[in-house]
Amino acid sequence: KAGVTQTPRYLIKTRGQQVTLSCSPISGHRSVSWYQQTPGQGLQFLFEYFSETQRNKGNFPGRFSGRQFSNSRSEMNVSTLELGDSALYLCASRIWVGGQETQYFGPGTRLLVL
Amino acid sequence: QKEVEQDPGPLSVPEGAIVSLNCTYSNSAFQYFMWYRQYSRKGPELLMYTYSSGNKEDGRFTAQVDKSSKYISLFIRDSQPSDSATYLCAMNRGTDKLIFGTGTRLQVFP
Repeated sequence: KAGVTQTPRYLIKTRGQQVTLSCSPISGHRSVSWYQQTPGQGLQFLFEYFSETQRNKGNFPGRFSGRQFSNSRSEMNVSTLELGDSALYLCASRIWVGGQETQYFGPGTRLLVL
Repeated sequence: QKEVEQDPGPLSVPEGAIVSLNCTYSNSAFQYFMWYRQYSRKGPELLMYTYSSGNKEDGRFTAQVDKSSKYISLFIRDSQPSDSATYLCAMNRGTDKLIFGTGTRLQVFP
């Protein structure tokens, strides 16, 4: 099976712009989670989608939003970009097998806001 | 105070050493504990998964959970240069969101 794919891999934007990131989970996986990773804060949970519904949400401002399509692909959008939004954005598809949860992460999208 | 605390390192050890990586947490409701490994410019990958207290061994890796002390550990025996990576602990109550530590950077030199 192909792994989790994320596009684009690298992105440079300026303050005030908006950005849309895309994530395709492993085939058959219905849960997609998004994380922001920065050196100081580590991995912080943004939100999780399951069957097109947001199931969990982290403590991020409303500028961060997401959605999931019927084929389980997910997008996240950040509007009115700020310098502090520069980070690695990771998505993961999440499954439970035999009572064990596994999250498979994509390679991430590295966003630089100038 | 963060829910999960992890020493950022870096931790530098010679090849063959036993490595101990640790996390402490504050939420006694956490039941599921994981260790992820992240190589540079890659996403994290699951290494170990433990439910509740106890030990779990997988090859050179041993995960320990002490719920009474709210303390988890990952031991790596016979460490190899290929183990050089950032190790992240993560935990949750079940199907809710995973809470990650900030990660410990490990360097194993030949």
